[in-house]
Amino acid sequence: ETGVTQTPRHLVMGMTNKKSLKCEQHLGHNAMYWYKQSAKKPLELMFVYNFKEQTENNSVPSRFSPECPNSSHLFLHLHTLQPEDSALYLCASSPRGDRNYEQYFGPGTRLTVT
Amino acid sequence: GQSLEQPSEVTAVEGAIVQINCTYQTSGFYGLSWYQQHDGGAPTFLSYNALDGLEETGRFSSFLSRSDSYGYLLLQELQMKDSASYFCAVRRDSGAGSYQLTFGKGTKLSVIP
Repeated sequence: ETGVTQTPRHLVMGMTNKKSLKCEQHLGHNAMYWYKQSAKKPLELMFVYNFKEQTENNSVPSRFSPECPNSSHLFLHLHTLQPEDSALYLCASSPRGDRNYEQYFGPGTRLTVT
Repeated sequence: GQSLEQPSEVTAVEGAIVQINCTYQTSGFYGLSWYQQHDGGAPTFLSYNALDGLEETGRFSSFLSRSDSYGYLLLQELQMKDSASYFCAVRRDSGAGSYQLTFGKGTKLSVIP
């Protein structure tokens, strides 16, 4: 495996479900990011982890809960989502938090909330 | 507050040159990045400018003028595979030594024969 991988690639969930998105990077990076990409809107930064510590939470609703057990893995736990949360969720990594100008993105998880 | 402006769509002919502009307003500015994203694909890093001037990488060049809060991405010898969305992103100091990358809405480039 190379680069940044994300699973699942597609997810359909009901508003009462609980699911998790997984991201893994094989680049030896120490910073990882979650973004939300909706149609006609810019990429929205959700969370930043630098050396496993959360350094940014961009006013994300508590129904999104990140977890970073180590520098290679990042999870996004989802519960009681709303239809407007349907979007492409992208994970990215960079060598360090202060070298965030060059980020490597995974292919994303296309989430549909019904 | 912050803002980034870039055209929503640009069309250009194969073999030609196209320039995608980006203007920004932000505090704590450190630099400007450019990313490419094909439909259904992941964003891919293209370039980063922290200082004024032109950076060239093959057919792609990126320019920054900090005094004008302006940058552009220049694509030369356009190929059909360059059809994609291009995002500028401002790197800024978000406080306490933390840096944040804020993306624009993207410019959809269509290359036509």
